[in-house]
Amino acid sequence: GAGVSQSPSNKVTEKGKDVELRCDPISGHTALYWYRQSLGQGLEFLIYFQGNSAPDKSGLPSDRFSAERTGGSVSTLTIQRTQQEDSAVYLCASSLAGLKETQYFGPGTRLLVL
Amino acid sequence: GESVGLHLPTLSVQEGDNSIINCAYSNSASDYFIWYKQESGKGPQFIIDIRSNMDKRQGQRVTVLLNKTVKHLSLQIAATQPGDSAVYFCAEMGTGNQFYFGTGTSLTVIP
Repeated sequence: GAGVSQSPSNKVTEKGKDVELRCDPISGHTALYWYRQSLGQGLEFLIYFQGNSAPDKSGLPSDRFSAERTGGSVSTLTIQRTQQEDSAVYLCASSLAGLKETQYFGPGTRLLVL
Repeated sequence: GESVGLHLPTLSVQEGDNSIINCAYSNSASDYFIWYKQESGKGPQFIIDIRSNMDKRQGQRVTVLLNKTVKHLSLQIAATQPGDSAVYFCAEMGTGNQFYFGTGTSLTVIP
């Protein structure tokens, strides 16, 4: 079956521009996570959506980062006024029921801010 | 705060040998753990998980061991194959909504 998909797969942008990253979770999965992975580093939690509940935004590194999840399915991570330190792989994961369930990851979006 | 660390950043094993990848965690309240495999250019792939009410769990060629006394987690891969070459992450979850990931161990299988 279809897994988690993310788009674009690669994004190059100039410092100061806004970017939008998209995640399509597995159909029926109520939970969705965004992570950031810098080169050679582990995954850094950004935000968690569960059903219609208010998202857990505790991992967002600054107010330039925001995320939405429309209709309980597709999610968009927006980075405003991008900085070079935002360059990383942004990974999305979904799970069937939320916390402490297996997370299935997408391939990631590789963001490069010049 | 919570931390997840790995004892060895790199590991090389001969094809056919068994591999053991270790992970330490610091939060005694963590009660759910996952091992992920990440190949170059791909997202992490779930391997196996274990909850804190278990000490051992087996999958296909993989076994996860949990020692809550010393807050240690290990992943054992039997008869390691070249396709097992990847970075392996452990992740823990406790009382919050977050998984905390280690930085990973790079496993290289020597043919």
